Amino acid sequence: GAVVSQHPSRVICKSGTSVKIECRSLDFQATTMFWYRQFPKKSLMLMATSNEGSKATYEQGVEKDKFLINHASLTLSTLTVTSAHPEDSSFYICSARGVENIQYFGAGTRLSVL
Amino acid sequence: EDQVTQSPEALRLQEGESSSLNCSYTVSGLRGLFWYRQDPGKGPEFLFTLYSAGEEKEKERLKATLTKKESFLHITAPKPEDSATYLCAVWRYGGTSYGKLTFGQGTILTVHP
Repeated sequence: GAVVSQHPSRVICKSGTSVKIECRSLDFQATTMFWYRQFPKKSLMLMATSNEGSKATYEQGVEKDKFLINHASLTLSTLTVTSAHPEDSSFYICSARGVENIQYFGAGTRLSVL
Repeated sequence: EDQVTQSPEALRLQEGESSSLNCSYTVSGLRGLFWYRQDPGKGPEFLFTLYSAGEEKEKERLKATLTKKESFLHITAPKPEDSATYLCAVWRYGGTSYGKLTFGQGTILTVHP
């Protein structure tokens, strides 16, 4: 089956620093990847859609200058949380769009901002 | 606006006690409905895609069905390892959504031995 790798799985950082999260499709090419945020016991909240070679499309209310997305190749998308603050602490999950529009998800990244 | 509502929010079953999870949707032009399983602290795992009313798909103890307004995930003789959150999501025609999915809030299933 299609495999999506997400790193790191957990990161702890100080307030004001930037954190980069990587999402890779290991055995297929993905022109489109998605970034989600999930709060405890809540469903997935789409943050942005990442398309290879073009600018990301952000959902309403998501600050594009805070959450920088780069989809530099058909197998890699990155999310950088800039100047992180405690309220950015959350579980971030990426997915890659495969055949028949099936989204294959990474294992997620737990971000804790102190 | 697309809406996806899952019920119940939580379901507790005894091992072997069959039941169903519901996913009701309101979407203009359904292109596909997806079921995922999510374990705590992990990303969702793909289970099924259903494309048209009347379609059914099975995988081990799980069977997904689709009507024009809702989808059911039937769990037959569940085992404790089936405990997880089950998410459904819809994909609709039109726009420049690049395949964006709208997720329901999930059903937390707990199966006791």
